[in-house]
Amino acid sequence: GESVGLHLPTLSVQEGDNSIINCAYSNSASDYFIWYKQESGKGPQFIIDIRSNMDKRQGQRVTVLLNKTVKHLSLQIAATQPGDSAVYFCAENRGRRALTFGSGTRLQVQP
Amino acid sequence: DVKVTQSSRYLVKRTGEKVFLECVQDMDHENMFWYRQDPGLGLRLIYFSYDVKMKEKGDIPEGYSVSREKKERFSLILESASTNQTSMYLCASSFPSGYGYTFGSGTRLTVV
Repeated sequence: GESVGLHLPTLSVQEGDNSIINCAYSNSASDYFIWYKQESGKGPQFIIDIRSNMDKRQGQRVTVLLNKTVKHLSLQIAATQPGDSAVYFCAENRGRRALTFGSGTRLQVQP
Repeated sequence: DVKVTQSSRYLVKRTGEKVFLECVQDMDHENMFWYRQDPGLGLRLIYFSYDVKMKEKGDIPEGYSVSREKKERFSLILESASTNQTSMYLCASSFPSGYGYTFGSGTRLTVV
């Protein structure tokens, strides 16, 4: 199977609980942030994005929070399901046309 | 459904071979990117292109080149494959603003 993220931090949650995945970014000039989900053997899939002029954005079962003061981004998943098990990446746009990605967090959902 | 399509899911090549990885997008995106993904290292940018025939080096361009002759197609070329280029290769495309950043399914390349 896919060997991405052998050394990733892992978050283990019970099915039905809420999950919070955190990400720190380094460049205060970054103006656009995205969360991706990567399942085993697949490319990253877009989950939700947020621009730097916002603090919070909600999607279906997901919420992204942006704290520019401490350069911190979080992804909240409500009522976590087994299908949410994956590696989650945050990405920032530092203004050079290409996104810069964090190293990822593995989410494991226990039945 | 919009797509970024990578021509191969799995490839096995011999050391010294010239390798072509192809990527096609149907979203009329100006920007296209090649990343490699390795355990513990995350996604690292190899090259990107913001227009036909235009290219810029990313963070790890050594040993690679790219070609963008048409807007929808971006090719990654390993001039002489080496075992340290064994990796998962991911293609992506986006609008110039960075919005709509979409990935392909990846090509797992093994160089023996």
